[in-house]
Amino acid sequence: KQEVTQIPAALSVPEGENLVLNCSFTDSAIYNLQWFRQDPGKGLTSLLLIQSSQREQTSGRLNASLDKSSGRSTLYIAASQPGDSATYLCAVTPGANNLFFGTGTRLTVIP
Amino acid sequence: ETGVTQTPRHLVMGMTNKKSLKCEQHLGHNAMYWYKQSAKKPLELMFVYNFKEQTENNSVPSRFSPECPNSSHLFLHLHTLQPEDSALYLCASSPEGQGAYNEQFFGPGTRLTVL
Repeated sequence: KQEVTQIPAALSVPEGENLVLNCSFTDSAIYNLQWFRQDPGKGLTSLLLIQSSQREQTSGRLNASLDKSSGRSTLYIAASQPGDSATYLCAVTPGANNLFFGTGTRLTVIP
Repeated sequence: ETGVTQTPRHLVMGMTNKKSLKCEQHLGHNAMYWYKQSAKKPLELMFVYNFKEQTENNSVPSRFSPECPNSSHLFLHLHTLQPEDSALYLCASSPEGQGAYNEQFFGPGTRLTVL
């Protein structure tokens, strides 16, 4: 069964710092990997989707990479801002219908 | 605004009550999903509907009963729940139910408390 792990579980950084969030998965047979953001008590907002054939995707200050063979993905956030404070979740699609989620990294950006 | 709405946003119910959660998507998608998010645990997939047909039931207890009358609407009927069923219930939709292009879009969730 696919297992998704995110490290660290929580991270605090001062405003303006660049940071990296890590995601690893046990089964490399995936269609895609998706990064989400979740604010407290709210639903998930899709940030980036990387297809299995791709190495990275970029959106604004966010850059996500995928190394499928090693079962790893990173989310790089440049010049962090207090508004980036949230929980970041990664999820992989192994096949039909399903997403397997990690438990997330709770990010706090300190002004 | 993600194009996926859920009502109610908050629900408190007793163990003997019957209630329903509603999800609606305005994205023209063909697949819809129910997830459960409990504290300290990863999101758990509950049900998947693809073109109105249920294609996944992830060993969910029968006290949760899904209904998908059309591709835009998804319900979760609740009866005789347990306190451990208290969680955030999230609905999502995607263009298709499988494959590389099933980017999922989530609603804001319903915070359910079972007393």
